[in-house]
This record gives sequence, C-alpha cells and structure tokens, in this order.
Amino acid sequence: NAGVMQNPRHLVRRRGQEARLRCSPMKGHSHVYWYRQLPEEGLKFMVYLQKENIIDESGMPKERFSAEFPKEGPSILRIQQVVRGDSAAYFCASSPPIDREQYFGPGTRLTVT
Amino acid sequence: GQNIDQPTEMTATEGAIVQINCTYQTSGFNGLFWYQQHAGEAPTFLSYNVLDGLEEKGRFSSFLSRSKGYSYLLLKELQMKDSASYLCAVRDRTSGTYKYIFGTGTRLKVLA
Repeated sequence: NAGVMQNPRHLVRRRGQEARLRCSPMKGHSHVYWYRQLPEEGLKFMVYLQKENIIDESGMPKERFSAEFPKEGPSILRIQQVVRGDSAAYFCASSPPIDREQYFGPGTRLTVT
Repeated sequence: GQNIDQPTEMTATEGAIVQINCTYQTSGFNGLFWYQQHAGEAPTFLSYNVLDGLEEKGRFSSFLSRSKGYSYLLLKELQMKDSASYLCAVRDRTSGTYKYIFGTGTRLKVLA
C-alpha cells in the first residue's frame, strides 16, 4: 500500500507565476489536509477536504489560494501570482474517515524567486 | 481560542530519558497526537491519546491529562537517530468538523 504521494517534491517559481501542488492520498483514505511549514516553524493548517467537498478552509488565505479534491485524481493546491512569502514546505496528509491519525506525504518545497 | 505550547529546544545524552511537555487550550478536544519530524522530511506518527493515562509503545510513551490540558512524550534509551523535532498536535472538533492544530515543535538534540 503506497503512502501519501506528493509532487513535485521541489518547485521553483518566479514572482507572479502559478504554483500547482498535487497530493494523492493513501488508498482508502477519503480525507485530505494541506499544511504549510516555514523554516524552523510548526505546521499551519490550511484546508481540509473530502472528495468533491471543501470541509474547512479557514487556514487558507482568501486570495490567490485554492484547493480541490475531485472525484477522480489527486488533490490540488493552487497558488496564483506567487510572492516570495509563499516560499515554504507544503505538506499533505490523509486519513481514513474519522478517528484515525493522519499520514503525511513527503512535502513539496516551493521556492519563489 | 486554540493554543498549543511546547519547549522550543531540548538537549539530552545518548542512553538517557527525556520528557517533552505539551500544554494545550482548545474548546473541542478530540485527541492528542505526537509526531516526529527529521529535518527536511515529513512528520511521522508516534502516538495518540484520547483518554487520560499513559500509552506505551516501545521506547516511546505518551501521557495525557485532559483536565489539566497537558501531555508529555517520554523517550527512553535515547539514540542519536532520535535527534529530530517532536510535534504535539491536538484534534479539535468545533463546528462539526475536525481540525488538527500543531504546536511549533520541540527540537531535540541527542549528544554522544
């Protein structure tokens, strides 16, 4: 059973470009969470999704950021018009329905130049 | 509000025992998790407590007191590979949805 997969592992974008981060949850997991982690800091919750539904996006900036988890395919975190402050590691985690721990993917390290 | 506090850094010697404390404030407590994160890597699950008491798993144990909003992670027989950040996370169920709130992590350095 493959773990949580994220790609790309490293992404470099220039200011103003779009960044698209993908996450494939573990088989059988229907819950996906996205987190952002700045160097030397903890994980900051961004958004919680189930298939075709955004359950909680309270941690995600209202502008430039969006997330989806379609019926087929990976979950996507999209950052439009990236700025230097968006440089961070973005982790995706998945879990089975309710009451279980999350499993993290390897993360995507976004660098904005 | 929701808040999690844990020490920023700790240092211990190989073979020793170390206790990493975590205090939390949340309105909809639904479980406490500990994760280990090596530099540049993803967090990996260590333990889960939802009831008061001690959960033991090999060299690692985790304790929870819900009335005090307090947990600790105990690492025994420390090894060099235990040098990592240890993240305390609380699952909160407010407004009908689950959210995981992470502390900033405790960086543990194990010295030879």
